[in-house]
Amino acid sequence: GDSVTQMEGPVTLSEEAFLTINCTYTATGYPSLFWYVQYPGEGLQLLLKATKADDKGSNKGFEATYRKETTSFHLEKGSVQVSDSAVYFCALSWAGKFYFGSGTKLNVKP
Amino acid sequence: DTAVSQTPKYLVTQMGNDKSIKCEQNLGHDTMYWYKQDSKKFLKIMFSYNNKELIINETVPNRFSPKSPDKAHLNLHINSLELGDSAVYFCASSPDLGTEQYFGPGTRLTVT
Repeated sequence: GDSVTQMEGPVTLSEEAFLTINCTYTATGYPSLFWYVQYPGEGLQLLLKATKADDKGSNKGFEATYRKETTSFHLEKGSVQVSDSAVYFCALSWAGKFYFGSGTKLNVKP
Repeated sequence: DTAVSQTPKYLVTQMGNDKSIKCEQNLGHDTMYWYKQDSKKFLKIMFSYNNKELIINETVPNRFSPKSPDKAHLNLHINSLELGDSAVYFCASSPDLGTEQYFGPGTRLTVT
């Protein structure tokens, strides 16, 4: 069945470090892909999305490229800040259903 | 204006009680959802409503019953609360099934 797998956390980085959070998916068709962010004590917020292969989603310095050949949608940021500390969820939608990954906690230290 | 709102934000109650959580969205979306998030941040979909009709009813206990009086509201009623029901419950909405979802701030339920 359709699913999303993302790297386990927590990921701990120093401020200004490069971030990669891996996400791979399994889908029977051509899904749309999403990254959501959850700051402490808050609900999930849509961070970025991509609807077809080779699309790049970007927002707030974060980027992810829809790679059909590797079934991946890795989240990257060139220079993280303490304020980026949160839980990040990869997700896909296909055929009217939505699937979330298990979440990856990011801790950024000053 | 808050797009998706939930009340209450915190709910502390004893085992065996019945409680409700309310959700409202002002985005004009057709689809609304309830999720349960455990202490490890894992999200589990509980229910989905599209145009006031139940679309998804995942394997949740029948003590949980969603009610949608109109497209903008989806409430969650829980009977005979158990310790294992303690979690954060999120309401979400989307323009249609399978499109990006917008989440409420969550309701932290603690059952003692």
